[in-house]
Amino acid sequence: AQSVTQLDSQVPVFEEAPVELRCNYSSSVSVYLFWYVQYPNQGLQLLLKYLSGSTLVKGINGFEAERNKSQTSFHLRKPSVHISDTAEYFCAVSLPISGGYNKLIFGAGTRLAVHP
Amino acid sequence: DAGVTQSPTHLIKTRGQQVTLRCSPISGHKSVSWYQQVLGQGPQFIFQYYEKEERGRGNFPDRFSARQFPNYSSELNVNALLLGDSALYLCASSRTVEKLFFGSGTQLSVL
Repeated sequence: AQSVTQLDSQVPVFEEAPVELRCNYSSSVSVYLFWYVQYPNQGLQLLLKYLSGSTLVKGINGFEAERNKSQTSFHLRKPSVHISDTAEYFCAVSLPISGGYNKLIFGAGTRLAVHP
Repeated sequence: DAGVTQSPTHLIKTRGQQVTLRCSPISGHKSVSWYQQVLGQGPQFIFQYYEKEERGRGNFPDRFSARQFPNYSSELNVNALLLGDSALYLCASSRTVEKLFFGSGTQLSVL
């Protein structure tokens, strides 16, 4: 079965420090990879996505992620975080379902807490 | 353009009752998906609909059903509610598989 593992449930960090949120996935087929952010009492917002090509992808709000095919990882990084980055972050893979359509498999999430 | 809208935002039901959640996709989006997010977990896929037809179903019991209307809006129905159905229910619409747009969700509490 396909799965997504976010290795840290919580990551505390000081403002302006760098951060890395780790994500491993298991898949025997080519997949699309995503990072979503969820602010309190809101839905999910797409941060960035990997579809094909360059393994380093850049997203919104200064975030970037790198796909490592051999390690099946897709870690999210930001060189300098802000208080406003405090949120829940979800890694996801897109897997095919019948009829050529896809569904997202999410990890359990990582709570990023940025402290002043 | 308006985003994905879901109603109601909050709902309280008791065990055994039935509930209907509604979703209006972004204009031009023909695909709607439903996800369940239990507190402390990532969202789990329930259904996907495209052009009014069910295209995919997750590992949920038959108490869960959905439909999509000609205007591409969608309803999720849950019968015989259990305490474990308490969750945030998210609707997402899309034109392509590469980008889903999520609504803010309906928070369902089952007492």
